[in-house]
Amino acid sequence: AQSVSQHNHHVILSEAASLELGCNYSYGGTVNLFWYVQYPGQHLQLLLKYFSGDPLVKGIKGFEAEFIKSKFSFNLRKPSVQWSDTAEYFCAVLFGGATNKLIFGTGTLLAVQP
Amino acid sequence: NAGVTQTPKFRILKIGQSMTLQCTQDMNHNYMYWYRQDPGMGLKLIYYSVGAGITDKGEVPNGYNVSRSTTEDFPLRLELAAPSQTSVYFCAGSTGNSNQPQHFGDGTRLSIL
Repeated sequence: AQSVSQHNHHVILSEAASLELGCNYSYGGTVNLFWYVQYPGQHLQLLLKYFSGDPLVKGIKGFEAEFIKSKFSFNLRKPSVQWSDTAEYFCAVLFGGATNKLIFGTGTLLAVQP
Repeated sequence: NAGVTQTPKFRILKIGQSMTLQCTQDMNHNYMYWYRQDPGMGLKLIYYSVGAGITDKGEVPNGYNVSRSTTEDFPLRLELAAPSQTSVYFCAGSTGNSNQPQHFGDGTRLSIL
């Protein structure tokens, strides 16, 4: 079955620390990959996306993610986090097919301490 | 620039009551979705629609119904509310092109007591 795994459920960092959140998926075919962020009390917003081309994609607010096809991974990174990055982060995968149904990971709650 | 609009933002229901969560979009999205978000579970797809008059079940459709009479509106109905339906509900829309992301509404926080 198609699935998306986020191994870090809760991450606590100090400001200026580097961040890497893992995301793996279970499908070997064509995929489109997304990271969404949900700030407290708000809706999901797109951070970045990968469809094709350069496997290192840059998103908003200094985030980037690297698609490693051989590892079925799409990890999210940021060199230096800020208190305002405190949020929940969701990896989502659009598996090959006609129905455009995103499969979401369970989310990673990031708390950045000032 | 409204995007995807959900009403109400909050609601408390008694067990057995019914209600409709409203979702409307002005982005001309053909595809619309309803998700529920539960702590530690991510988002689960309830129902989706690829166009007016067409709906289909997602991963967790039981206890819900939808309709899509217009491109803009995609209401979600709970006929007999149960405590297990306490959740945050998100509506989303997209063009249906795989290289375009989904756009989410602000959510409806629903409690069944």
